[in-house]
Formats: sequence, C-alpha cells, structure tokens
Amino acid sequence: QSALTQPASVSGSPGQSITISCTGTSSDVGRYNYVSWYQQYPGKAPKVMIYDVTKRPSGVSDRFSGSKSGNTASLTISGVQAVDEAYYYCYSYRSDSTGVFGGGTKLTVL
Amino acid sequence: EVQLLESGGNLIQTGGSLRLSCAASGFTFSDSAMTWVRQAPGKGLEWVSVISGGGGGTYYADAVKGRFTISRDNSKNTLYLQMNSLTAEDTGLYYCAKDGRDAYWSGSPSFHHWGQGTLVTVS
Repeated sequence: QSALTQPASVSGSPGQSITISCTGTSSDVGRYNYVSWYQQYPGKAPKVMIYDVTKRPSGVSDRFSGSKSGNTASLTISGVQAVDEAYYYCYSYRSDSTGVFGGGTKLTVL
Repeated sequence: EVQLLESGGNLIQTGGSLRLSCAASGFTFSDSAMTWVRQAPGKGLEWVSVISGGGGGTYYADAVKGRFTISRDNSKNTLYLQMNSLTAEDTGLYYCAKDGRDAYWSGSPSFHHWGQGTLVTVS
C-alpha cells in the first residue's frame, strides 16, 4: 500500500494561486471520486478542506478548490494568504476498501 | 457538536500490547463508520483501519494487518484499537476520526471530525 505522491513543498507569495498535486493509481485516485484534502497545522489535528474531489465543507473558504484528471488529483488555493501556511495531505479510497494518504506537502507563503 | 476523545496511549516495550479507546459524542455513534489514522513524529498521516457502524465490517492497512484489531461498543459510544506485537514503527500519535460513511458503507469516505490524538511510544 504505497502512499499517494505529493510534492514535499510548494510556495507562493500572498495573492498568488498555488496548486498541490496528488498522484495515485487506477486502483485509488483514478477509480473513485473519493479524494479528500486535509490541512494540518503543527501540533493540531487535521481539518478537511475538500472531499469527494470537488466538494467544500461549510465554513471552508471558497479560495480552496479541488479537481481530478486521471490518476492525479489537485488542490488549488486561490489568493494564498499567510494563514494558509500549513501541511496539506490528500487521501483516497482504494479498491480493496482500505484508504491511503499522500506523503504531505508543506505550503510556505513567502 | 461532534466530539472524539482518544485515550490509552503510553510508553510500551517492543513486542508489547496496548488498547486505545475513542469516546464519541454529539452524533448517533452506531450510524457511522469510524477510522483510526496515525502519525509518526515529524511524519505524514497514515490510514490504519476502519470499522462499519455495526462492527461487522473491518479493514486494515497492510502494516498492521494481523497485529491490530479494531472494534466498537455502540452501547458505550466507544471505538477501540487493540495493538499487539508493537514495534518502533508503530510509534506515533493515533487519531480516531468519524468516517463520512454511514452504517451501510454509504456516503463519502472522508473525515470531517477528528480527535486530538493519543500518543503511543514503543521503545
């Protein structure tokens, strides 16, 4: 059960848009629309930002959006702000009924 | 308000056993699948196990299969994780999370509510 592949780090200046990719296989990301994204600050529990590829929970800023193409899902943050500096993890349901997270991406706001 | 409170974490010797608990409130516990996720110090999130609302369906990550057992007591609104044959690789913060799927596995396998975690250290 290999982890989904995410870049270790991304960065952007305030106001810019950034995209974090999440690459899986035809047994997880490519097969189901069950990709979710989590934001985690150091020492805190994760928080869901996107679920079912594109859905945003109530209370989450509309600056966050998700998409998927083939075996790769993406999280885009439009107009990145200092408060967005955190770790981001993707997650996918798998064909064997288990789940798998990505390795995590550290977002730095310059 | 959904609340999840993990307990049972401790310092344990290699090869030992430990049982984690997660007390749930604020929702109909038996109507929801529940998941355990762990995080090694300074590392990323790792999916561990999931259990159906009624407890009859369970799935495990390869890394813990055969050593960990997930269970629940719906009369006590409590989720458990029995961990045996522990190794240093099992060290980490263990979170319980409310799965988005209902008792019949319908819905979104995503995690909208998390506890604060309980720390397991294997040495």
